[in-house]
Amino acid sequence: SQQGEEDPQALSIQEGENATMNCSYKTSINNLQWYRQNSGRGLVHLILIRSNEREKHSGRLRVTLDTSKKSSSLLITASRAADTASYFCATGGGGTASKLTFGTGTRLQVTL
Amino acid sequence: SAVISQKPSRDICQRGTSLTIQCQVDSQVTMMFWYRQQPGQSLTLIATANQGSEATYESGFVIDKFPISRPNLTFSTLTVSNMSPEDSSIYLCSVRGTSGRGSDTQYFGPGTRLTVL
Repeated sequence: SQQGEEDPQALSIQEGENATMNCSYKTSINNLQWYRQNSGRGLVHLILIRSNEREKHSGRLRVTLDTSKKSSSLLITASRAADTASYFCATGGGGTASKLTFGTGTRLQVTL
Repeated sequence: SAVISQKPSRDICQRGTSLTIQCQVDSQVTMMFWYRQQPGQSLTLIATANQGSEATYESGFVIDKFPISRPNLTFSTLTVSNMSPEDSSIYLCSVRGTSGRGSDTQYFGPGTRLTVL
C-alpha cells in the first residue's frame, strides 16, 4: 500500500519558474527520499532527508521535512525543460530491514 | 552510489510464457529489491532478495508467480511466470548504498519494460 500521497498529481509550468511538490505520509519515518523518473525509465535518486533534519539543498533542489505534519516538499528553482519528469517521494523506517514505500508521484511538465 | 544494470531493457511477450529479468550491481550488496510499476502508477515492492536465503515477498506477491534467484552478492534474477496482460509493467531492481549513513540511500536500475499481449 502507498505510504504517502503527493500533490499536485500533475504540474505544468514555464521554464524559469519554480516548481513545488508536496508529499504527505502516515507513519513515523527515519528518512524520506525524493526520486525523479523520466518517461517510464529508471529512478534517479535526488536527495535524502533524515527525520532530524528540516531542510536540505542540492543544486537547484530544496527539500523540507516537517515531521509534526508528516509532510515534505520538493522545490525546484529556475526550472528547465529537462526537469520534465515524474517525481516521487519515498519513506523509509531506517535500519537494514526497512523497506522503502513510495508516494503516488507528481508529473511535472516544464514548457519553453 | 551503486551502478545497476538490467537485462532486458524491454520485451514484448505472449501470455502464458515466462520472462527472466537480470540485475547486476557494480558492488557487493546484502539486499536487493524488486519493484513493479504498473502503467501510470507508483512503485510497489515485490520482494527482498538476500544472498543465501529465500526471498521475502510482500503481500499480494507469491514465489510461484515471481521466483527470484540471488546466487551472489552482485546479481539477482526475477522471473515473471505464466504471464498475462495484467503483468505489463516496468520491473525495477534496487539496492541500498553500502557504507555508513549512505546505506539508507536506495538506488534503482534502469528498469525492464514488459508488455504482455
